[in-house]
Amino acid sequence: DTAVSQTPKYLVTQMGNDKSIKCEQNLGHDTMYWYKQDSKKFLKIMFSYNNKELIINETVPNRFSPKSPDKAHLNLHINSLELGDSAVYFCASSQGRGGRANSPLHFGNGTRLTVT
Amino acid sequence: AQSVTQPDIHITVSEGASLELRCNYSYGATPYLFWYVQSPGQGLQLLLKYFSGDTLVQGIKGFEAEFKRSQSSFNLRKPSVHWSDAAEYFCAVVPNAGNNRKLIWGLGTSLAVNP
Repeated sequence: DTAVSQTPKYLVTQMGNDKSIKCEQNLGHDTMYWYKQDSKKFLKIMFSYNNKELIINETVPNRFSPKSPDKAHLNLHINSLELGDSAVYFCASSQGRGGRANSPLHFGNGTRLTVT
Repeated sequence: AQSVTQPDIHITVSEGASLELRCNYSYGATPYLFWYVQSPGQGLQLLLKYFSGDTLVQGIKGFEAEFKRSQSSFNLRKPSVHWSDAAEYFCAVVPNAGNNRKLIWGLGTSLAVNP
């Protein structure tokens, strides 16, 4: 019973293509996130949704568009992929409205995106 | 700027040896403090957290961490390391003041364990 699951695990694609990553959590959490981890393991938050409402939108190119059809799902669509988009993308969730500061994150296992 | 520092990029220890991973933060008030572990090919998993109270907190997998206000530190320790502890360890902090309560991450410490 995976708590936070994301698909696919690996994604290899060419520059200019459009791709999506899906995420689902079965923890009943109100808040979901997308993080990007680069080759040096640096973690950067991209987006956060609380009950389908966008609450954090960091400086991310417009080519990245999150979509939350319901509070258990948060998908990430990327248009016109570039080489620099190659990274591991993690979905996460936490309890509480607005992602309470003291609520730990529960992470998926990541999607390794390689753009060639 | 608010920051979290993990001074050691990479640490190697022998199996059975003790371990201490350092974490320092740059905030005035006591923040919320977390340690996460990332095993190869996996997502991050919470090891332990500190919000208030007893400054020595126990976590999963035999880890503990001690909050020292005077040193602005929250170092992670384990008395005897197992080969399965080889992973990336991240310290994270949420400032306990102001409107910006976003999680701020350290750059991680990579732990290798020699047999």
